Amino acid sequence: EVQLLESGGGLVHPGGSLRLSCAASGFTFNGYAMTWVRQAPGKGLEWVSTLSASGGSTYFADSVKGRFTISRDNSKNTLYLQMNSLRSEDTAVYYCAKGLHYGVVIDVWDKWGQGTLVSVSS
Amino acid sequence: DIVMTQSPDSLAVSLGERATINCKSSQSLLHGPNNENYLAWYQQKPGQPPRLLIHRASARESGVPDRFSGSGSGTDFTLTINSLQAEDVAVYYCQQYYISPKGFGGGTKVEI
Repeated sequence: EVQLLESGGGLVHPGGSLRLSCAASGFTFNGYAMTWVRQAPGKGLEWVSTLSASGGSTYFADSVKGRFTISRDNSKNTLYLQMNSLRSEDTAVYYCAKGLHYGVVIDVWDKWGQGTLVSVSS
Repeated sequence: DIVMTQSPDSLAVSLGERATINCKSSQSLLHGPNNENYLAWYQQKPGQPPRLLIHRASARESGVPDRFSGSGSGTDFTLTINSLQAEDVAVYYCQQYYISPKGFGGGTKVEI
């Protein structure tokens, strides 16, 4: 069974940093692109970033470009999101999600974690 | 950027009736080489992560009941829920994955 477990969320002051992790199991992690999607309280879904299976290609939403980095450790089956210079508008539940097709970057996401809440407030 | 516009924002449907949700993209999502539309539909119930229902505009994901169907091409797409069940109460999102940024529609809340 595919499982994705996010961690690392919490309360942080504006300008601060957090690193989110997503521990994956139940599938060949190094064969799938992985993605972060966030959802502000009471709002819709916003794609944040995608990383190819090898880690060689990254994609970011304009709202986080230059502040967030995405990475993966395929030996640990773990996806990361390093978030710097956090703003109040980054407050959201952050979900990690797995690509549907093996080896495909331009893809939909068929499995999602339960999410981790990031709150940016003074 | 491609803008995704869903309508209506919400709708109330009686049990057993049909729900129809529309999604319009500001650019065509049709990929010429494989003639596929890079449009997906997700369902999100309160307190839960999204669930993939449909991809490539009309391909139902494994395990999704056949009362859910997707249609459309180019810039105009529809999610239809036939014979609405109580467990279908949720917010439904369309999403384009043709090019980055992979934007979502604003969501449609379906109620009984």
